[in-house]
Amino acid sequence: QQQVKQSPQSLIVQKGGISIINCAYENTAFDYFPWYQQFPGKGPALLIAIRPDVSEKKEGRFTISFNKSAKQFSLHIMDSQPGDSATYFCAASSTGGFKTIFGAGTRLFVKA
Amino acid sequence: ETGVTQTPRHLVMGMTNKKSLKCEQHLGHNAMYWYKQSAKKPLELMFVYSLEERVENNSVPSRFSPECPNSSHLFLHLHTLQPEDSALYLCASSQEPGAYTQYFGPGTRLTVL
Repeated sequence: QQQVKQSPQSLIVQKGGISIINCAYENTAFDYFPWYQQFPGKGPALLIAIRPDVSEKKEGRFTISFNKSAKQFSLHIMDSQPGDSATYFCAASSTGGFKTIFGAGTRLFVKA
Repeated sequence: ETGVTQTPRHLVMGMTNKKSLKCEQHLGHNAMYWYKQSAKKPLELMFVYSLEERVENNSVPSRFSPECPNSSHLFLHLHTLQPEDSALYLCASSQEPGAYTQYFGPGTRLTVL
């Protein structure tokens, strides 16, 4: 019940295309859903995050879509660029808890 | 210096050695974390500290021993490690534990021979 399932494991997208990464969770107590971006040799860094009181959040080319009833959320990267090539992790945590549960990660490669 | 820093960035040690990893956060946060990141596994939470008190120990073998002397510093003491402990060890901090953004350091790449 603590797992966050992330797919796909890897993704290749043409420059200018849309990258979509999906995550699913089971614990209904989760109330914070961040996405982290990690480049080789660096630690993960927050990209965008959402709380379950909204169904969508957009920051620039990055959008989180959140479906509370299905317990799923996804990251959309519009107009994908080669500089977006990185590993992306979804995560989930709950207010009052101590743990953040991370998905397994998606390695994105954007072809020029 | 800002953010979360980790030293050393790379460490090679034998199975009988004792070494320590250091993490320092300059963000005024109250929670600090150790994670293990292996090539084919998700980020594995090891320990969580809140205001210098350990609040989570995620079934980590005793050859890993954390220490949090104050809210800005976190150590991971290593002894008699195994080759399968080779990984990237990431430190992170957040304002409070739980549903807050975590800020990660660059990690220490550990190789156990």
